[in-house]
Amino acid sequence: GQNIDQPTEMTATEGAIVQINCTYQTSGFNGLFWYQQHAGEAPTFLSYNVLDGLEEKGRFSSFLSRSKGYSYLLLKELQMKDSASYLCAVRDEDYKLSFGAGTTVTVRA
Amino acid sequence: NAGVTQTPKFRVLKTGQSMTLLCAQDMNHEYMYWYRQDPGMGLRLIHYSVGEGTTAKGEVPDGYNVSRLKKQNFLLGLESAAPSQTSVYFCASSGLAGGQETQYFGPGTRLLVL
Repeated sequence: GQNIDQPTEMTATEGAIVQINCTYQTSGFNGLFWYQQHAGEAPTFLSYNVLDGLEEKGRFSSFLSRSKGYSYLLLKELQMKDSASYLCAVRDEDYKLSFGAGTTVTVRA
Repeated sequence: NAGVTQTPKFRVLKTGQSMTLLCAQDMNHEYMYWYRQDPGMGLRLIHYSVGEGTTAKGEVPDGYNVSRLKKQNFLLGLESAAPSQTSVYFCASSGLAGGQETQYFGPGTRLLVL
């Protein structure tokens, strides 16, 4: 099985940077995903890591260290529309996803 | 191209009633999934399918049944609803199992069991 931990809530100011950490303990690893979920909506894909290192996509970046069972999602130049829940998900050797409980990010003006 | 759609969007049931949630995708995806999302617990996999005519149990399958008679549809059934099944249900699909292929989620079905 999978054990995935991420902080419950984070608050930041518009224009700032926020880093959301995710740690996992898995019986198998086949990639890590980050999803964004606005209140009352479906999760949408943000990023994917399978090798160690940093993946950058515009204002969002995601980092993975497989040896440490650790990932983070970095959100730069925060905007009000970035207020949402961010879900860390690990894919196992059977290609199923296990999700963390999600981190609710609130962006203040 | 509608992506993944779910029917109904919202439903109220009484304990013991049955219902079927419908998920449809128009992306010709092989893989389909049913999750439930509860506060503080994240998304949990109920059942999934790796192709037409196949189904498999996920993390929390008890009290649910599924069918995948057509490639584009994945049905989730509750035979005798219980208050513990009050949740938001999401369907998802993906074209491949591995690589960068992500899962695409439907808008969700909000179920309240009284």
